[in-house]
Amino acid sequence: KAGVTQTPRYLIKTRGQQVTLSCSPISGHRSVSWYQQTPGQGLQFLFEYFSETQRNKGNFPGRFSGRQFSNSRSEMNVSTLELGDSALYLCASSLYTGGYEQYFGPGTRLTVT
Amino acid sequence: AQSVAQPEDQVNVAEGNPLTVKCTYSVSGNPYLFWYVQYPNRGLQFLLKYITGDNLVKGSYGFEAEFNKSQTSFHLKKPSALVSDSALYFCAVNGNQGGKLIFGQGTELSVKP
Repeated sequence: KAGVTQTPRYLIKTRGQQVTLSCSPISGHRSVSWYQQTPGQGLQFLFEYFSETQRNKGNFPGRFSGRQFSNSRSEMNVSTLELGDSALYLCASSLYTGGYEQYFGPGTRLTVT
Repeated sequence: AQSVAQPEDQVNVAEGNPLTVKCTYSVSGNPYLFWYVQYPNRGLQFLLKYITGDNLVKGSYGFEAEFNKSQTSFHLKKPSALVSDSALYFCAVNGNQGGKLIFGQGTELSVKP
């Protein structure tokens, strides 16, 4: 099976712009979670989608949003970018929500200038 | 509050020696525990998980982990380290909050020939 894919892999944006990141889960996986990884804060949970519904949300401002489509593909959007949003954004998929192991994509490296 | 601690930022081991990467957790209820590995510029790779049952869990690439409920620990071990094991290792817990994983800060494992 193909793994989790994320596009684009690298992105450079300017402060104030918005960005959309895409994630395609492993075939058959219905849960998609998003994480932000930075050197200072480590890995932090953004949100989880299961069956097109947001099931969990981390402690991030409303500028961070996401959605999931009927084919389980997911997108996350960050509006009004700030310098502190520069990070590696990781998407992970699992069969179901709950204690199932999550499989991660390679990430999207976002740089905000 | 749920949390994961990896008390060592870095672990240095000689090739062929056993390795241990430590992890302790704090969660209400029964935890689901995971270990992931991250190579440079890559996403996270799933190594193993503990849900219930045997306290010794075997995973990928010869790694295993020991769950200790009384000490709230889930240490990662390998009997004989390889240079190729050098990477960043993350412990994570799912505390019955859907698909939300809480990660430790990571431990850099360095295996020297």
